[in-house]
Amino acid sequence: NAGVTQTPKFRILKIGQSMTLQCTQDMNHNYMYWYRQDPGMGLKLIYYSVGAGITDKGEVPNGYNVSRSTTEDFPLRLELAAPSQTSVYFCASTATGTSYEQYFGPGTRLTVT
Amino acid sequence: AQSVTQPDIHITVSEGASLELRCNYSYGATPYLFWYVQSPGQGLQLLLKYFSGDTLVQGIKGFEAEFKRSQSSFNLRKPSVHWSDAAEYFCAVGATGGYNKLIFGAGTRLAVHP
Repeated sequence: NAGVTQTPKFRILKIGQSMTLQCTQDMNHNYMYWYRQDPGMGLKLIYYSVGAGITDKGEVPNGYNVSRSTTEDFPLRLELAAPSQTSVYFCASTATGTSYEQYFGPGTRLTVT
Repeated sequence: AQSVTQPDIHITVSEGASLELRCNYSYGATPYLFWYVQSPGQGLQLLLKYFSGDTLVQGIKGFEAEFKRSQSSFNLRKPSVHWSDAAEYFCAVGATGGYNKLIFGAGTRLAVHP
């Protein structure tokens, strides 16, 4: 049982490039989330999904896109990378219901130069 | 709007000393409250949670937290800190609007001196 996995662990992008951050969970969780973590700012929600085919914006969605074609996978897309997107990105998942307990992946450290 | 405040950005304690990390929240009803820990280079791990009932909750690694409604607080405590407790600690509250969303505080970075 791997839990939540994320790839890559590290990435350096040039301004204007695009990339996809991968996230997979094997716990059959319906709810999945993408956060970014910046120093002194805690975690901010970028996008979330409540099931395959259903996604919605979080607090800081600009510059990102997501899709959810399966229960397991929730990729995050950066289309035109900007220095402001330099951050650590975390994917998380949780079961449907009222538990609110989220399980986190190990994160992707992205640098845009 | 809901929010979580962690007043201390950095805290340094000596190994073996007691620890208290502060967390204040804003929320009208009884909140769902969480403490997560992030070790360097790692993801977040749940330490403990409060949903209802006993206001003193026990978590993993010897941590506990107390919910005080009158003070809108959910402070994390440990009686004797170990060097391996050095990490960043995040307090979070369940967000209104459903879908199990969480609102996180800015975090407190804990350093432990030998």
